[in-house]
Amino acid sequence: GAGVSQSPSNKVTEKGKDVELRCDPISGHTALYWYRQRLGQGLEFLIYFQGNSAPDKSGLPSDRFSAERTGESVSTLTIQRTQQEDSAVYLCASSIRQGVAQPQHFGDGTRLSIL
Amino acid sequence: QKEVEQNSGPLSVPEGAIASLNCTYSDRGSQSFFWYRQYSGKSPELIMSIYSNGDKEDGRFTAQLNKASQYVSLLIRDSQPSDSATYLCAGHPMDTGRRALTFGSGTRLQVQP
Repeated sequence: GAGVSQSPSNKVTEKGKDVELRCDPISGHTALYWYRQRLGQGLEFLIYFQGNSAPDKSGLPSDRFSAERTGESVSTLTIQRTQQEDSAVYLCASSIRQGVAQPQHFGDGTRLSIL
Repeated sequence: QKEVEQNSGPLSVPEGAIASLNCTYSDRGSQSFFWYRQYSGKSPELIMSIYSNGDKEDGRFTAQLNKASQYVSLLIRDSQPSDSATYLCAGHPMDTGRRALTFGSGTRLQVQP
């Protein structure tokens, strides 16, 4: 596709439910990143993929969070037993490859609201 | 100390003026920096990248990097109300081994018509 595509754009769910967020990167981009942005805050790094491996999972806030990626394509971020503090916009970005000079291009995000 | 720091603002400038947005970083080994613009409720949009000391100009935007002072800035000439947004500075830190960008919390710019 032309840009990074994320779905759903909005998700409202009850506390304790599991949610799955999807990201489809720009075609040909091998690096994929997940960030979280709480209301009025900056971007918080969660995890990144190079291909389908995740060399850096240091940002995942707890073991309720996991992510996987199939090949150099779609990634899913799963949050189990959601809590109210998980409410945020979850942003996915991709870059043509991992490297210091590679800019990241963002999708429109998934706005997650935990009731 | 945060790895990338920005004044949260709001920075208010009149239409037609130069807006100056500043960012400092703590990792002296950082090599690349990016400025993103984020409109309310929207995702960040890349507007400038800079990798070496000095100035880089693109239309009304000029990015400046001073590695000795660990300082990055973004100048917006002839500011327009449509430039009103939050501007995020991002760097690629080397010492943490992290491969993703580290973002500042952003500076909110308001251009008054």
